[in-house]
Amino acid sequence: DQQVKQNSPSLSVQEGRISILNCDYTNSMFDYFLWYKKYPAEGPTFLISISSIKDKNEDGRFTVFLNKSAKHLSLHIVPSQPGDSAVYFCAVPPGMRFGAGTRLTVKP
Amino acid sequence: DVKVTQSSRYLVKRTGEKVFLECVQDMDHENMFWYRQDPGLGLRLIYFSYDVKMKEKGDIPEGYSVSREKKERFSLILESASTNQTSMYLCASSLGRGLEQFFGPGTRLTVL
Repeated sequence: DQQVKQNSPSLSVQEGRISILNCDYTNSMFDYFLWYKKYPAEGPTFLISISSIKDKNEDGRFTVFLNKSAKHLSLHIVPSQPGDSAVYFCAVPPGMRFGAGTRLTVKP
Repeated sequence: DVKVTQSSRYLVKRTGEKVFLECVQDMDHENMFWYRQDPGLGLRLIYFSYDVKMKEKGDIPEGYSVSREKKERFSLILESASTNQTSMYLCASSLGRGLEQFFGPGTRLTVL
């Protein structure tokens, strides 16, 4: 049973607009969440994380929001750029458990 | 700068063969992990290790084993490869449990 779910396999946005990627989790005991980005033929790279004691963490164009009551987190990318086109995974430790990923395409 | 290397980028093996996938990290990380990535399923954890000679089963350990004889090296072994083990295999390491992981480039394994 997947502990982390990304229900949108793909997302397409226009350059300069906002991209919102969503992730749901099942276990309310999870206390740390991470987002990774993956380009084809490369391993995933860490993007941003958030602790459960926060509801928002921002790093440049990337912001992650955490809604603990809904067991939901989202990654916002503003403004989106063509170079952001990749597969995005949310993940939770321990281990790490990953969602199925969302393929983001940013059109010029 | 963390570097995680995997022994092969592409590998083709036959059903029933014993397959070794090697992973080496150069940052003295305690923790190492093996995943497989399949379309629509994301990354699934096969095995991980929090220390030398230690191993823990992940979510899909069946058909696999691992070896961690040295801190920097974590090997994934397919005792008798099967076609359903055709996949992209990714190795990762991290400094601490729950901290960000650094991934290798992956090995695309095809079992015929």
